[in-house]
Amino acid sequence: NAGVMQNPRHLVRRRGQEARLRCSPMKGHSHVYWYRQLPEEGLKFMVYLQKENIIDESGMPKERFSAEFPKEGPSILRIQQVVRGDSAAYFCASSPETGTDTQYFGPGTRLTVL
Amino acid sequence: GENVEQHPSTLSVQEGDSAVIKCTYSDSASNYFPWYKQELGKRPQLIIDIRSNVGEKKDQRIAVTLNKTAKHFSLHITETQPEDSAVYFCAAYRSGGGADGLTFGKGTHLIIQP
Repeated sequence: NAGVMQNPRHLVRRRGQEARLRCSPMKGHSHVYWYRQLPEEGLKFMVYLQKENIIDESGMPKERFSAEFPKEGPSILRIQQVVRGDSAAYFCASSPETGTDTQYFGPGTRLTVL
Repeated sequence: GENVEQHPSTLSVQEGDSAVIKCTYSDSASNYFPWYKQELGKRPQLIIDIRSNVGEKKDQRIAVTLNKTAKHFSLHITETQPEDSAVYFCAAYRSGGGADGLTFGKGTHLIIQP
């Protein structure tokens, strides 16, 4: 009974490179949320996806950031041309298809931009 | 949008004493209020949640109370133990709103003094 999986756990990129973060939801979950956590701060909502659909991306920067959740495979958060300010922990959470608002979090990906 | 304020930012209590963390929210349409515990470098873990049709919920040493009129909710931990030391986050969510993720407070660093 695997929980939410994220990889990689740690990612180091130089300024201008691309970062790809992956999230596999819990079995049976079709809702995925991405959050960003800066040091000493709470989590900030970025984007909410269901299979093949972006439901709400109001928390995601308009430029350089994109997310997808294909029919097959994990959800991917992509950051193009990373800058130092992108350094943070990125968490995804998943919830079941119906009946509950409870979100279960993955272990996070800690992105460091040099 | 929703705004969640959390106090205090740091709370130090003697082992065995009680700890109380308070949160206020701004959107009267929010109806789901989870609490997460996050240990250093780990994922946020759901410890208790409450919905707006309930005023109080208890699970062993942990309880949450909700005052919809005042738009505030609180986490109560009794008989604190060293393993309770962590950062605690409250959050608010509008179920059925069709969009958005959880809105988190900035966290409370709970320190249990032996």
